[in-house]
This record gives sequence, structure tokens and C-alpha cells, in this order.
Amino acid sequence: GQGVEQPDNLMSVEGTFARVNCTYSTSGFNGLSWYQQREGHAPVFLSYVVLDGLKDSGHFSTFLSRSNGYSYLLLTELQIKDSASYLCAVRHPNYNVLYFGSGTKLTVEP
Amino acid sequence: GGIITQTPKFLIGQEGQKLTLKCQQNFNHDTMYWYRQDSGKGLRLIYYSITENDLQKGDLSEGYDASREKKSSFSLTVTSAQKNEMAVFLCASSPGTPSQNTLYFGAGTRLSVL
Repeated sequence: GQGVEQPDNLMSVEGTFARVNCTYSTSGFNGLSWYQQREGHAPVFLSYVVLDGLKDSGHFSTFLSRSNGYSYLLLTELQIKDSASYLCAVRHPNYNVLYFGSGTKLTVEP
Repeated sequence: GGIITQTPKFLIGQEGQKLTLKCQQNFNHDTMYWYRQDSGKGLRLIYYSITENDLQKGDLSEGYDASREKKSSFSLTVTSAQKNEMAVFLCASSPGTPSQNTLYFGAGTRLSVL
């Protein structure tokens, strides 16, 4: 099967940062995407990475290490409204197929 | 911009019933998907379609049929609803090319089976 693993929950404090981890073990790899999903809403695309290293997109940054099958999404200067689930998805070499993790529910406290 | 519309938003069915979920997109995207989301689990791919009249099975296709009669629409049929089944079905579309890989999701259809 295709394994994409994420911790279930993460808590952090407003104004600080949170790092959402994702590990994967898939039969092929052609990039990794992050999506944000608020309760009762559809997932919304945040970021896509295919090369190793850190990709800084301001409030959201993403890191990838292909040799370790590992990525993280870093949220800085957290706001209460960042509370949501964050989904990691690995793209199969067949570009049309994404394998999703179960998501990490981030709670940002005052 | 575009939008993906899923109907109905809520669907209550009876055990053994055949149920159909509909999805329309006006992005003019080639590729469309149906995912199932259960509480505490990731999105699991049921079917996808890369063009009109094309169907490709995902990991969770058993118990489902799909139809892509037009580029803009993709429907999913639950062939026999299972008692106490509860899940959210998410439709998505994508340009489907290597350089354009973002999925755009609809708001979902929430299924409950009595």
C-alpha cells in the first residue's frame, strides 16, 4: 500500500509557531502537497514541493527530504484562525493520483 | 476563478439502497476525482477520470460506480449502501498536467445510512 503518516493532533500558542510533520513510504514519488481543511469545509491547497530543502512562502514554509521520506509544514506567527486540519498528500509518478495522510488537527490557543 | 458544486450536500439513505452523488466543475479541468473521507482517516481515492468517458479505479472502488459523460460533470454511485455508514464524499478537479497539480475540492456530500 501507500503509507502517508501524520500525527493526529498538535497544539500551539498564538504568536508562536507550529511544525506539522509528514512521513511517507510510497511506491513512487513525484512531489508532496499540503492542504488546509477547516472543520466542515473542503481542503484548500497550500503548497507543493518536489525538491529537497526549505521552501519559504511567508506564513507557511515547507521542507522536504526525499531520502528520509519526510516533510514538514511550518506555520509562523500563529493566529487563532490557523486552527484547522493540515493534510499531507504524496503525488504518485502517475501525476493524476495523490495519496493523502489522515491529517493533523492543529489547535492554536490564546 | 471557478467552482466545484456537489449535490446533494446531505444524503440520508437506507441499507441496500443505490445512491448517486453528483459533481459539476466550471474550471474546464481535464481530471476529476472522487475521494471518501472518514473521521480520523485520510482521503481515500475511489475513482478518477482524466477526460470525458474515461474512468480509472482508485484503491476504494469496490462498492462504487462512476460516470463521466461530460467534461464538466462526474457522478458517483454507491451501489448498495451499508448500514450505519457515515462518511463525507469529496469531489475534486485538477488540470492534471505535471506542472499544474493542485486539486480543487467541492464542499462535500455527507452520507448517513440508517
